[in-house]
Formats: sequence, structure tokens, C-alpha cells
Amino acid sequence: SQKIEQNSEALNIQEGKTATLTCNYTNYSPAYLQWYRQDPGRGPVFLLLIRENEKEKRKERLKVTFDTTLKQSLFHITASQPADSATYLCALPSDYKLSFGAGTTVTVRA
Amino acid sequence: DTAVSQTPKYLVTQMGNDKSIKCEQNLGHDTMYWYKQDSKKFLKIMFSYNNKELIINETVPNRFSPKSPDKAHLNLHINSLELGDSAVYFCASSQGSWGGSSNYGYTFGSGTRLTVV
Repeated sequence: SQKIEQNSEALNIQEGKTATLTCNYTNYSPAYLQWYRQDPGRGPVFLLLIRENEKEKRKERLKVTFDTTLKQSLFHITASQPADSATYLCALPSDYKLSFGAGTTVTVRA
Repeated sequence: DTAVSQTPKYLVTQMGNDKSIKCEQNLGHDTMYWYKQDSKKFLKIMFSYNNKELIINETVPNRFSPKSPDKAHLNLHINSLELGDSAVYFCASSQGSWGGSSNYGYTFGSGTRLTVV
């Protein structure tokens, strides 16, 4: 069966450090992968899409990698700030729908 | 200017009741979705509609009935509510037939927290 696993439920880091989140998947052959941010009481907000032929993508302090051999995506938040505290979700397409991982909650301490 | 708006934001109701959640998007997107997020924060797709046509029905009990009067609206009606229906329901929209490959991803509403007592 298809699975999307995000490395841990929670990640606590010091302000200024880099947060690295992992998304592993099985039984998917995705042409791309997406990352979303969700704040408490809000809907997910789209951050980045990375395609299978792109090894790395950046947006401001965010960097995403995509390794289709390892079946893994890494999501980095560099120079983290308390405002980055949120839950981050990866999402994969299959059968005309987008399926989400359970998310990793990041808390950045000042 | 809210892109995807859902009403109500909170809904508390008794078991056995029937309730509806409304969703509207003003983005001109072709496809709309309902997702359910349970207490473990796991987001699971329920339905998707493209231009008023049902595309996905993900093994959802037939007590749940989506209705799309036009491509800007997708409502969710739930009959005979059960305790296990308590969750946050998100409406979303996207470009194209199902829009997953768009560089803009899905746009979600802020959710409807349904509590069945």
C-alpha cells in the first residue's frame, strides 16, 4: 500500500539554526512533490513544488531536495525564526489526488 | 478578499442530526475538494469535483453527499451525524483538471471544526 512518512512528529530547534524535515514515500512514482505549512486553526498553505527532474529548489530561506532513487524529500528551513513555528506537510500525487503526510511540527525557540 | 471561504467555522451538533458545510472559491479554479483532518492531524481526501463533475469519491460513507451547483461552490451535506464524524473539514481548490502539478498547489479554506456530541 502507499505510504508517506514524515520523520518525526515534532522538531524543536534554536533560532538561527537550520531545521531539516524528511518525507519518505513508498509505492508512489510521483512526477513531483509538494510542501505545505499549516498553522493552528488554519488550512494548509502551499509553499513549494519540486519536480522529479529537479534535484533542489529554493524559496527565500526554504530549500527542498527530491531524490526519486531514495524515495525521499528533504525540507530545510535555514536561519530559522520563531515565526517559522508551524506544522509542515509533504504531499504526493497519485490517481488524480494529492495525498498528505501526517506532518512535522516545528517549534523554533528564541 | 478570502480566496476559499468555508462556513460555518465551528459546528456543534447532536448525533443523528443532518448538517451542511458550504464552500466558495473566488480564484476561478476548475477543481474543488473536501478533505477531512482527524484528531491526529492526518489530512485525507474525501471528494473532488472538476467543473461540477464528481472526480473522486474516496470510500466515504454515503451519509456524506457533496454538491457542486457551479464550479465556484462545493457544499458538503452530512446525514445522521455520528461521533466519529467529529473532525476538521477543509475545502480546497486548484487550477486544471485536478491541479496537483500547478506551481501554485492547492488553496485551502480555514476549515470547519465539526463536533458531534
